[in-house]
Amino acid sequence: DAKTTQPTSMDCAEGRAANLPCNHSTISGNEYVYWYRQIHSQGPQYIIHGLKNNETNEMASLIITEDRKSSTLILPHATLRDTAVYYCIVRYLDSGGYQKVTFGTGTKLQVIP
Amino acid sequence: DADVTQTPRNRITKTGKRIMLECSQTKGHDRMYWYRQDPGLGLRLIYYSFDVKDINKGEISDGYSVSRQAQAKFSLSLESAIPNQTALYFCATSVAVGQPQHFGDGTRLSIL
Repeated sequence: DAKTTQPTSMDCAEGRAANLPCNHSTISGNEYVYWYRQIHSQGPQYIIHGLKNNETNEMASLIITEDRKSSTLILPHATLRDTAVYYCIVRYLDSGGYQKVTFGTGTKLQVIP
Repeated sequence: DADVTQTPRNRITKTGKRIMLECSQTKGHDRMYWYRQDPGLGLRLIYYSFDVKDINKGEISDGYSVSRQAQAKFSLSLESAIPNQTALYFCATSVAVGQPQHFGDGTRLSIL
């Protein structure tokens, strides 16, 4: 299984960029990196995903290192509504050849006024 | 995500009772998933289904069963509920391998 490691918690000042790191040193060549977030006890919300190249959408940017062993999610201008738990996930193939997703414990991001 | 609807939203029941949690989706996705979330443990996969005829166990399937009644419906059952199944349960869908999952708002289940 390609596992991920994230810091337990981080703080970010409102209006600043929030940079959330993730280590996935055992990632395989065809496995994508996904980011989700969960606000309070709501259902997780998809943010962004990527394979090799950096990606950007209306919510965030994803920077993946060249060796693909780590990535960083960037929220360019954090707001109080971005306070949430952020999950970095790598899809993997189980023994039956099915791709599954395992969520770890994530990073709790607190945006401070 | 309003396209993935879970019922009930909250349920309190007693040990030994049979419980069914339901999930329906209007996204037209073939793939559906059931997760449970416990404090400090993230989400863990219970069962997943890649189409109506395909059901697979996840990490923690013991004590649970599922039924894929149609493409749009995926139910999770606890045949004889026990207190350590108290958790927040989420249903999710995805269109295909490699595509993001879309989650419902969850069912908070308490077993006394």
